[in-house]
Amino acid sequence: AQRVTQPEKLLSVFKGAPVELKCNYSYSGSPELFWYVQYSRQRLQLLLRHISRESIKGFTADLNKGETSFHLKKPFAQEEDSAMYYCALRGETTGANSKLTFGKGITLSVRP
Amino acid sequence: EAGVAQSPRYKIIEKRQSVAFWCNPISGHATLYWYQQILGQGPKLLIQFQNNGVVDDSQLPKDRFSAERLKGVDSTLKIQPAKLEDSAVYLCASSGGHGYEQYFGPGTRLTVT
Repeated sequence: AQRVTQPEKLLSVFKGAPVELKCNYSYSGSPELFWYVQYSRQRLQLLLRHISRESIKGFTADLNKGETSFHLKKPFAQEEDSAMYYCALRGETTGANSKLTFGKGITLSVRP
Repeated sequence: EAGVAQSPRYKIIEKRQSVAFWCNPISGHATLYWYQQILGQGPKLLIQFQNNGVVDDSQLPKDRFSAERLKGVDSTLKIQPAKLEDSAVYLCASSGGHGYEQYFGPGTRLTVT
């Protein structure tokens, strides 16, 4: 079975402060990890995936297989980063574990 | 390009009534997904279509939920009869194929009273 845990529901920081949104997963194989974001009144959209190893809007995330974590980080938060963030996992490319499994999400609030 | 379209955006029904949701994916996308998102939870996959065939419906409550994707384009998700616990946002997503990025629609917010 595959499971994604986002231990916090809300993170509130001031503009310019560092941000780390935590994500832990449970899966016995080699999963593919994603971060999705939903801004106010907008659709859920892909922010980044671990295989891309790129920075999107200043956000990065490194897959740590030893700690089974995929934390999302940004060194300096901006007000426009305020949104709901979901971590997601896909276990395989085909078969029973190929579906996306989402965490419960975390609300990031960046105060001016 | 136009995004994934869903209708209606909001629906309020009484328990034991029936309801249907419609989704029009991005043109050319072969894979279509229906998710259920209960308040405070992340989206949960209900059913995945590849063209007009079902790939995964392991989490679809088949005693009351049904879905179809005739002609491999639009899709309809139906609940009959609805229960209070079906209150949720129903999201449709599409992708160019399995493993490709999923694009989400705006969702339909269902309230069952």
